[in-house]
Amino acid sequence: DIQMTQSPSSLSASVGDRVTITCRASQGISNYLAWYQQKPGKVPKLLIYAASTLQSGVPSRFSGSGSGTDFTLTISSLQPEDVATYYCQKYNSAPITFGPGTKVDIK
Amino acid sequence: EVQLVESGGGLVQPGRSLRLSCTASGFTFGDYAMSWVRQAPGKGLEWVGFIRSKAYGGTTEYAASVKGRFTISRDDSKSIAYLQMNSLKTEDTAVYYCTRSDYGDYGWFDYWGQGTLVTVSS
Repeated sequence: DIQMTQSPSSLSASVGDRVTITCRASQGISNYLAWYQQKPGKVPKLLIYAASTLQSGVPSRFSGSGSGTDFTLTISSLQPEDVATYYCQKYNSAPITFGPGTKVDIK
Repeated sequence: EVQLVESGGGLVQPGRSLRLSCTASGFTFGDYAMSWVRQAPGKGLEWVGFIRSKAYGGTTEYAASVKGRFTISRDDSKSIAYLQMNSLKTEDTAVYYCTRSDYGDYGWFDYWGQGTLVTVSS
């Protein structure tokens, strides 16, 4: 099975900072990768699919890139409402797998 | 407006069974694959399994941790997906989310329900 890893596991940044989260697949998954945001006590929300396509309604400060095994989620200017845990997910075949998550908070 | 509403959660003893339902509205239910995802208290997201749309055969896939114990089914006439959970273990304790895949087969999860809590304890 393909394993998904994320780094860092947590980070603290200032408002306005550029934040980058990395997701790595143990085997190539082309661009079958999505990113989700889960705010504390809330339901996960789709941010990005197909590695780099922004879901409708998601602020443009979020972006995704990568293909194959290495992927990145970037928040260009961190806002207080971005405090959340971010998960990557590979969805090209079973088992569908989520990364362990990256917790983002404000410094 | 797309809505997914889970029901059927609760407290159940180890070894017993429980069936969750996911009632969908706001879209043509039969056109989409539906997945179940769970989240144990304080933990990350774990995919449980999914069922393809009839156009893709209506077949199912499961995580290794639940295969042989859990069964996903669907009733397109009622726009409901089910998760039948048998031989429950304490480690199955989690919030269970119903999700919609953006295709009839594998895809990203564009809509999520609010979740239903399943607690397995004696």
